[in-house]
Amino acid sequence: AQTVTQSQPEMSVQEAETVTLSCTYDTSESDYYLFWYKQPPSRQMILVIRQEAYKQQNATENRFSVNFQKAAKSFSLKISDSQLGDAAMYFCAYRRTLNNNDMRFGAGTRLTVKP
Amino acid sequence: DSGVTQTPKHLITATGQRVTLRCSPRSGDLSVYWYQQSLDQGLQFLIHYYNGEERAKGNILERFSAQQFPDLHSELNLSSLELGDSALYFCASSPFRGTELTDTQYFGPGTRLTVL
Repeated sequence: AQTVTQSQPEMSVQEAETVTLSCTYDTSESDYYLFWYKQPPSRQMILVIRQEAYKQQNATENRFSVNFQKAAKSFSLKISDSQLGDAAMYFCAYRRTLNNNDMRFGAGTRLTVKP
Repeated sequence: DSGVTQTPKHLITATGQRVTLRCSPRSGDLSVYWYQQSLDQGLQFLIHYYNGEERAKGNILERFSAQQFPDLHSELNLSSLELGDSALYFCASSPFRGTELTDTQYFGPGTRLTVL
């Protein structure tokens, strides 16, 4: 079974600074997808970024980037130039690409941004 | 706005009752997924439908059932409700059957169910 672990229940960052959220996962598959979702107080689940396991290049979306270490099964999210609107719960998620039917989510990291 | 709609936004009911949650996927999306999020926890996969057919079940209780209709909207039925069923229920949709490399799930705003 695939499991996703987020070891940081809470993190805080000063506005305009950089913060990194950690995620590790366990799988025996070689091909899969990884995602970071943001859940603000509105509770909406918003896709932040995704990474295909077969790609060596780390995904980047504006101020958000990942550090994907396949051998270590690690998938961290870096938020640069943090903004107040980045405050939210962040969930790491794993999905197989073959015969996939669901995503497995970590328990989440609550990010606070201090002005 | 993801394009996925869910109704109602909030639902308050009593133990033992039955409720129906509704989800309309993004235009053109054939897959619908249901997830449950209990308080301050991650999402748990419940069930996946593709083009009207059930594709997979996750941690879904026997008291829960779902279906996807010809117009592709989906309903999640929760019966004999218990206090522990109080949670946020998300629907997500994607274009494909779940095996495509470009398949990304887009989430609706969720339905908050409170069982008293």
